[in-house]
Amino acid sequence: ETGVTQSPTHLIKTRGQQVTLRCSSQSGHNTVSWYQQALGQGPQFIFQYYREEENGRGNFPPRFSGLQFPNYSSELNVNALELDDSALYLCASSLDGQGYGYTFGSGTRLTVV
Amino acid sequence: DQQVKQNSPSLSVQEGRISILNCDYTNSMFDYFLWYKKYPAEGPTFLISISSIKDKNEDGRFTVFLNKSAKHLSLHIVPSQPGDSAVYFCAANFARGSTLGRLYFGRGTQLTVWP
Repeated sequence: ETGVTQSPTHLIKTRGQQVTLRCSSQSGHNTVSWYQQALGQGPQFIFQYYREEENGRGNFPPRFSGLQFPNYSSELNVNALELDDSALYLCASSLDGQGYGYTFGSGTRLTVV
Repeated sequence: DQQVKQNSPSLSVQEGRISILNCDYTNSMFDYFLWYKKYPAEGPTFLISISSIKDKNEDGRFTVFLNKSAKHLSLHIVPSQPGDSAVYFCAANFARGSTLGRLYFGRGTQLTVWP
């Protein structure tokens, strides 16, 4: 049983650019959530995808968007990057959105300069 | 709007002693409370949870206590081991509705267990 894998592990982008982060969910899981963890903070919920549909969104602007594919893998896209977008981005998968069943990936560390 | 709060950024405990990590919350409608453990360069891993209808849940060395009237929960680790050194996140979620599965995290507490 494979866990959640995220790519890339580290990324440096320039302000104003666009970025795509990828996540492969754990085998058997149909729900993917994305979290942003800024330095010294706890993870903040960005959005959740269930069976390829967005079914919950946190307090993030529309330039944060996502996709879930038929194999339940997912992408997080961020347009018009800002310096404050620098953070660890965590992907978590679960079966049917059960919070206690989440498996987290190791994250992508995004630095915006 | 921080609905889950961990007011102690760090805790240092000697090996063999008890570690007590605290967490407060503001929303009395949360259905579950969870503790996650995070090592550097790894994602958070689930440790233990408690339903809002319980006041205690135990799993080996880990026990979580829930005080609903005070909107407070705590994680007890007995005995503490050096391998327990990590950041511990308190989280909460709802079991139904449009926010199903969304986890609300505290800022975390860095636990250091020294020999």
